[in-house]
Amino acid sequence: AQSVTQPDIHITVSEGASLELRCNYSYGATPYLFWYVQSPGQGLQLLLKYFSGDTLVQGIKGFEAEFKRSQSSFNLRKPSVHWSDAAEYFCAVAGPNNNDMRFGAGTRLTVKP
Amino acid sequence: DGGITQSPKYLFRKEGQNVTLSCEQNLNHDAMYWYRQDPGQGLRLIYYSQIVNDFQKGDIAEGYSVSREKKESFPLTVTSAQKNPTAFYLCASSFRGGAKSTGELFFGEGSRLTVL
Repeated sequence: AQSVTQPDIHITVSEGASLELRCNYSYGATPYLFWYVQSPGQGLQLLLKYFSGDTLVQGIKGFEAEFKRSQSSFNLRKPSVHWSDAAEYFCAVAGPNNNDMRFGAGTRLTVKP
Repeated sequence: DGGITQSPKYLFRKEGQNVTLSCEQNLNHDAMYWYRQDPGQGLRLIYYSQIVNDFQKGDIAEGYSVSREKKESFPLTVTSAQKNPTAFYLCASSFRGGAKSTGELFFGEGSRLTVL
């Protein structure tokens, strides 16, 4: 069964600094990969997704992620973090059927002024 | 506006009581899901339904039950058999497949259940 590892439980960055959140997955076939963001007490919102094609995908709010098959990774990046980006971020992997989507444990992002 | 509505947002329950969480969607999605979220554990799948009158167990179905009598609705009952029910519960929906499917799950805002 597929699985997702987010190695960093909590990351703190200064406003305006760059950000990279790590995600490693395990899946036997070509995965569908997702990044979601969650504000406290809220549901999850999709930031971006990768199905196939260009390995660098652009998402909402200035985020991007790069799929690296050789490293089984799908890291999320943003060149300049804003205070409003403080939230919890989840990486997820799925096969062709959504019922097998699996989520990582999440990375909580704190943004310092 | 289309979306997913979960209710109630907060719920308190005494031990030994069953409680039902509501989830309604007007996105015309075929598939619906229930996840449980605990700190540091991400989201774990409880039950999912790909079509009306059919549902499947997820990874942690014990102590929970669901029904799918209408396409729009997928209520979750947390029974007294669930040993540790205090958690944040998230409902989601998606297109089932085919040209409309983007793989994306759309989430409600969640229901927080506390057992006293």
